[in-house]
Formats: sequence, structure tokens, C-alpha cells
Amino acid sequence: AQSVAQPEDQVNVAEGNPLTVKCTYSVSGNPYLFWYVQYPNRGLQFLLKYITGDNLVKGSYGFEAEFNKSQTSFHLKKPSALVSDSALYFCAAVGKAAGNKLTFGGGTRVLVKP
Amino acid sequence: EADIYQTPRYLVIGTGKKITLECSQTMGHDKMYWYQQDPGMELHLIHYSYGVNSTEKGDLSSESTVSRIRTEHFPLTLESARPSHTSQYLCASQERGGPYNEQFFGPGTRLTVL
Repeated sequence: AQSVAQPEDQVNVAEGNPLTVKCTYSVSGNPYLFWYVQYPNRGLQFLLKYITGDNLVKGSYGFEAEFNKSQTSFHLKKPSALVSDSALYFCAAVGKAAGNKLTFGGGTRVLVKP
Repeated sequence: EADIYQTPRYLVIGTGKKITLECSQTMGHDKMYWYQQDPGMELHLIHYSYGVNSTEKGDLSSESTVSRIRTEHFPLTLESARPSHTSQYLCASQERGGPYNEQFFGPGTRLTVL
């Protein structure tokens, strides 16, 4: 069975500082990995994905993520956080064995303080 | 902004009522999904469909049912609502192709059963 772990329930960061949201995964075969963001009373919005190729993936709103196969990680990063980045962030993974069904991590709440 | 819609956005009903949560998308996507998001934020897949007249149960057992008579429409029905059904329900769609395609989410329906 595939699984995704986000070890931090909440991340607090000051505006202008670097932001990192951690994610590790367990899937059979090569994974497809995704990050989504959820603002209050909204659905999830796609940020970025890793399919193959370059381990560093760039996405929307200045976010990027690094795929690390040996550590089975896909951490989300932003060099300089904004107050408007405060939201819920979900990592998701899918492997061949699970067909098209995404498995989501438990989510990490990011709070960026002015 | 993804063209996927959910109605109602908020619903408060009494125990035993029959309800239908609507989900429609205008992107012509073959694949559609229903997720239940509990208060702890975690998302659970409860139903999915890969095309017209195709529906499957997801990983989380649910007393709800779905139908897919038209490509753009994927309603979810609860025959007899109970307080345990209180949750946020998110609908998503995905274009034809492999699991590497991102899912697009609607804004969600927040259901409260008294």
C-alpha cells in the first residue's frame, strides 16, 4: 500500500524567511508526486508535480520542490515566504500499483507572520 | 481557475434526510473523484469514475452513492443522512491519460447533519 507522511502539523515562519514543508512517501515503483494548497473555505489548488527528469521542480507562486529518491522525500520550498502563503499544504503521491488513485498526506498548516 | 463547481457550498440538515451534493465540470475530463475531508484535514477518497456509466468505491468506506450519466456531472447522494456524515466533501476531475495529470478541485460542500 502506498502512503505519504507530512511530519509537521504546523510550520511557523516569519515573512521574508525561507519556508520548507516536508513530505516523505512510500510507493511501489517510480512515483508521481504532487503538492496542493488549500486556502480557507476553498478546494485544493495544484502547485507543482514531479513526473520524471530534473529533481528540482518549479511551480506556481514561487514554490519549488526537490525530489530525493534515496530519501523518498519531496519537500516543498519557497525562498521568501509571504503572509499570503498562510494556508494548508498537502503532499500527494501515486505509484503504478495504485492506478490513478492519489494518496494524500495529512496536511501541514503554514502560518507566515508579518 | 479550474472550471469545476459544487453546490451547495454549505448545507445543514436533520438526521434521516436524503441529500444530493452536486458536482459539475466544464473541462470535458473523463475522470472524476469525491473526497471526504475530516476536521483533522486529512482527505479520503470515497468514490471515483473513469467515464460515463463507470463508478467505483474508494479507499474509505462510505454510505453514499454516486452516478455518472453525463461526462460533466458526478453527483453524490446520501439516502439517509446521519451526524457521522458531517464533513467537507470535495469533488475533483482529471483529464484522460496517466496518473501524472493533476486533479482539479471544486470549492467543496460543507455538510452538517444535526
